[in-house]
Amino acid sequence: DTGVSQNPRHKITKRGQNVTFRCDPISEHNRLYWYRQTLGQGPEFLTYFQNEAQLEKSRLLSDRFSAERPKGSFSTLEIQRTEQGDSAMYLCASSLNEKPQETQYFGPGTRLLVL
Amino acid sequence: GQQVMQIPQYQHVQEGEDFTTYCNSSTTLSNIQWYKQRPGGHPVFLIQLVKSGEVKKQKRLTFQFGEAKKNSSLHITATQTTDVGTYFCAGHAGGTSYGKLTFGQGTILTVHP
Repeated sequence: DTGVSQNPRHKITKRGQNVTFRCDPISEHNRLYWYRQTLGQGPEFLTYFQNEAQLEKSRLLSDRFSAERPKGSFSTLEIQRTEQGDSAMYLCASSLNEKPQETQYFGPGTRLLVL
Repeated sequence: GQQVMQIPQYQHVQEGEDFTTYCNSSTTLSNIQWYKQRPGGHPVFLIQLVKSGEVKKQKRLTFQFGEAKKNSSLHITATQTTDVGTYFCAGHAGGTSYGKLTFGQGTILTVHP
């Protein structure tokens, strides 16, 4: 499968615990995005990388959230001291930086439940 | 900040009826993309529109981008049960936020056989 992959697919954690999610983009894609989706809503942009550089972060990304893409390939999203409000689907997408035909391809997501 | 609104939120149709969802942005978009998300799935790219007034067709689906590049629509002719899902529009504002997509809240389509 050459699509975007995400691990784990599901995560249940207790409030206050730290969690880390991983995203492996399509291999030749230089851009990687993180979105959060809650029930009944569209995905909300969190942050994106071009290669290893984090180019934009949403105000939604509080200081408890950190994302990395150290070698410009896979990315991790860490949430520290989780809160019940963090429960959501975390989606990763990747694309080639080819303006204006930049299509983002989404992974299956990691569904987080904070108890 | 940029907002993208979609209407209706829900649409229930009988199989064979047509369906349309509308998307409006608070700001001019450099392009707009449409995605479909099946229940329990992830958004799957359908199409991208770039030019003012552009119309594209994919079999029974017709996509339009408004002249002012602030609105768009998706029309499905003669719906089938396989069309069930949530349809999202998502816009690129361009400029320094070129990579960021702003999604509408989606239209949930239910098709009754």
